[in-house]
Amino acid sequence: SQTIHQWPATLVQPVGSPLSLECTVEGTSNPNLYWYRQAAGRGLQLLFYSVGIGQISSEVPQNLSASRPQDRQFILSSKKLLLSDSGFYLCAWSGGQGADEQYFGPGTRLTVT
Amino acid sequence: AQKITQTQPGMFVQEKEAVTLDCTYDTSDPSYGLFWYKQPSSGEMIFLIYQGSYDQQNATEGRYSLNFQKARKSANLVISASQLGDSAMYFCATKTYSGYSTLTFGKGTMLLVSP
Repeated sequence: SQTIHQWPATLVQPVGSPLSLECTVEGTSNPNLYWYRQAAGRGLQLLFYSVGIGQISSEVPQNLSASRPQDRQFILSSKKLLLSDSGFYLCAWSGGQGADEQYFGPGTRLTVT
Repeated sequence: AQKITQTQPGMFVQEKEAVTLDCTYDTSDPSYGLFWYKQPSSGEMIFLIYQGSYDQQNATEGRYSLNFQKARKSANLVISASQLGDSAMYFCATKTYSGYSTLTFGKGTMLLVSP
């Protein structure tokens, strides 16, 4: 069966510091991968998605970037965090076939101080 | 562009009763899917149920069913025999299948189940 991992689970970082969040998927190949951000009490905002290695589409231009160095690895990065980057970051995968429902990881709660 | 509207910010239901969570959508694409997700306080998004725009019958998954009314562009989630563990945020989402598109989520409905 497929599983999706995210780490770290929680992170407290000062403004201006770099960020690296990692997401890996097991049990499937060539998944579509997604990064979402959820502000407190709000819905999900799609940040990036990827349909293959090295292929990244950005939905919201900002100081975040994403990379997909391997088929089942998706990384969210920032060179300098802003206070507004605080939130709950969710990674998801889908098979790209049929209904193409997405399955989510446990999330990373980021607080920028 | 797709749009999802969930008009109920919060709903209360007693244990063992049924509850309906509303969702309306707006899309001009003839081929689309509707999804419901549950987000408990732990934060993880859990996929519950899917309905395709061409599906003739309403989708069901255990205690979850989707009341799909295509002409009204609504896809309400019905939870039968509510349990305390059903207390969570519920999100409706849609995606189209013409070309590549991603999920568009509504703002969610908080469901509280009381004993």
